[in-house]
Amino acid sequence: DPKIIQKPKYLVAVTGSEKILICEQYLGHNAMYWYRQSAKKPLEFMFSYSYQKLMDNQTASSRFQPQSSKKNHLDLQITALKPDDSATYFCASSQDGREDERLFFGHGTKLSVL
Amino acid sequence: GDQVKQSPSALSLQEGTNSALRCNFSIATTTVQWFLQNPRGSLMNLFYLVPGTKENGRLKSTFNSKESYSTLHIRDAQLEDSGTYFCAAHSAGNKLTFGIGTRVLVRP
Repeated sequence: DPKIIQKPKYLVAVTGSEKILICEQYLGHNAMYWYRQSAKKPLEFMFSYSYQKLMDNQTASSRFQPQSSKKNHLDLQITALKPDDSATYFCASSQDGREDERLFFGHGTKLSVL
Repeated sequence: GDQVKQSPSALSLQEGTNSALRCNFSIATTTVQWFLQNPRGSLMNLFYLVPGTKENGRLKSTFNSKESYSTLHIRDAQLEDSGTYFCAAHSAGNKLTFGIGTRVLVRP
């Protein structure tokens, strides 16, 4: 059974719309992350949360907003979508949020913006 | 990207053969992680390494911090080993840095 659940697996959106990517983890971890994978680029760190507090944000655009309603949830709201936002977005978790911890990923949400 | 260089970029293997993937680091790396992204897109953590060697089934990985590299050996390759293998390096004070991946295709 997957321990990090991302919904939906695939998402198609029109330019200018808003979408929320869902992530829940059942590993008992205290830290959660969002990464983006674009074609021919390395996995790119976006956000990290530890104990539901934002630890680091390396996303330039305020259109990307993480939302943590519970310790094991970290959703990603994206507003005013652009075609360049098309990518696979991975949620991840680790035990406590130290930078050298073992990282576990969800299966990703593949977003296509038309 | 440039701080973690993976080679080769792509690899085609006959089922049952052995091969090795490599990561070279240009940053002072303290830990290394290896991941496999399968053809469906899921990312699986294969190894978490401090300097040294770990083995898991047909996979073995070594991290040599003094010479700044890590290797992943695949023994007796199977079709389900196909996918993209990523290494990621942690250096003090920095986020985990990923390589661009090695695409592996295992042929029957």
